Amino acid sequence: DVKVTQSSRYLVKRTGEKVFLECVQDMDHENMFWYRQDPGLGLRLIYFSYDVKMKEKGDIPEGYSVSREKKERFSLILESASTNQTSMYLCASSVTGAGEAFFGQGTRLTVV
Amino acid sequence: KQEVTQIPAALSVPEGENLVLNCSFTDSAIYNLQWFRQDPGKGLTSLLLIQSSQREQTSGRLNASLDKSSGRSTLYIAASQPGDSATYLCASNSNSGYALNFGKGTSLLVTP
Repeated sequence: DVKVTQSSRYLVKRTGEKVFLECVQDMDHENMFWYRQDPGLGLRLIYFSYDVKMKEKGDIPEGYSVSREKKERFSLILESASTNQTSMYLCASSVTGAGEAFFGQGTRLTVV
Repeated sequence: KQEVTQIPAALSVPEGENLVLNCSFTDSAIYNLQWFRQDPGKGLTSLLLIQSSQREQTSGRLNASLDKSSGRSTLYIAASQPGDSATYLCASNSNSGYALNFGKGTSLLVTP
């Protein structure tokens, strides 16, 4: 079974902190994605990566950056956390553009 | 940009009923369409993937169909059970991008 693992289920951070969310997949997938999910807004794409060191902005990249130094790991970075970044963050991976996407268990981030 | 709509937003049915969840999308040039299940506070679990060349996929009591020409997909759940209670999300990726575009989901409650 494909496994996508996010480093934390719950995080509480203070405004202005630099926050790292880590995601690891074990199936050698080329594509990895970061989404955030908010009530009434659904899932929105923040960034995705289709290869090591390659990244593309999604619909809401402002305030975020990403890093993909190894194929299996995709990190989301909040440069200076703000309260409006309180959300559920979901990582996903897929083998190709048309491949089945698999999600991690989610990280509930609260910024106070 | 691909727009995905799910109707209804919420549905309550008694145990044992057969039910249909609807998903529509604006861009018929899709790679695939995927149905997910999400339990409260959890990540997404992939249920079914329909490639653009396929018309339907089945897994157990679940059957998903795809009609690209009309921009519609349906998820049929047979003999519903209380354990089916969850939010169901559909998503597609058009052949202009890698990432999935999500509907806002249908919240299903199956009552004993």
